[in-house]
Amino acid sequence: DVKVTQSSRYLVKRTGEKVFLECVQDMDHENMFWYRQDPGLGLRLIYFSYDVKMKEKGDIPEGYSVSREKKERFSLILESASTNQTSMYLCASSLGGLLKAFFGQGTRLTVV
Amino acid sequence: AQTVTQSQPEMSVQEAETVTLSCTYDTSENNYYLFWYKQPPSRQMILVIRQEAYKQQNATENRFSVNFQKAAKSFSLKISDSQLGDTAMYFCAFVGGNNNDMRFGAGTRLTVKP
Repeated sequence: DVKVTQSSRYLVKRTGEKVFLECVQDMDHENMFWYRQDPGLGLRLIYFSYDVKMKEKGDIPEGYSVSREKKERFSLILESASTNQTSMYLCASSLGGLLKAFFGQGTRLTVV
Repeated sequence: AQTVTQSQPEMSVQEAETVTLSCTYDTSENNYYLFWYKQPPSRQMILVIRQEAYKQQNATENRFSVNFQKAAKSFSLKISDSQLGDTAMYFCAFVGGNNNDMRFGAGTRLTVKP
């Protein structure tokens, strides 16, 4: 079965720190996504990538960047963490179209 | 960009009864894909059902079925014979015809009461 692994389940960082959230999938999927999940707002798309070294902004890219140097790995970077980036972050991968997306377990990030 | 709207933040239903969750979306595309995902307290997202826009027949998966109204851009989920294990957040999702981006609604928290 496809597995999407996020590097941390819980993370606490200080304001101003550079934060890396890592996501790895093992099924050769082209598409990978980063979302943040907040109560009442659902999953909001931060960035997605449809190929190595390709990235597209989602709906809320401000304050974030991404890296996809290898097909299986998609990293989300908070250049200078702020308290309003405290949230649940979900990574997903898919082959696209009608094929379902596979999700990681999520990283609950707290910025203090 | 496409938007997905779920107008019911919370719903509850008695065990064994039927409940319908609403979802509307906005797109200018003619071919796209729609999904319902379930997120239990474990946080793991689980695919419930999916629908291709060019198919007029509504998708069905056991106790789960959809009412897809393309002209109205509506995609509701009906859960029949509700079970306690159906208690979860339910998200409606849209994938465009370019097969790349995937967008979700705000979610509906469903509670099944014994």
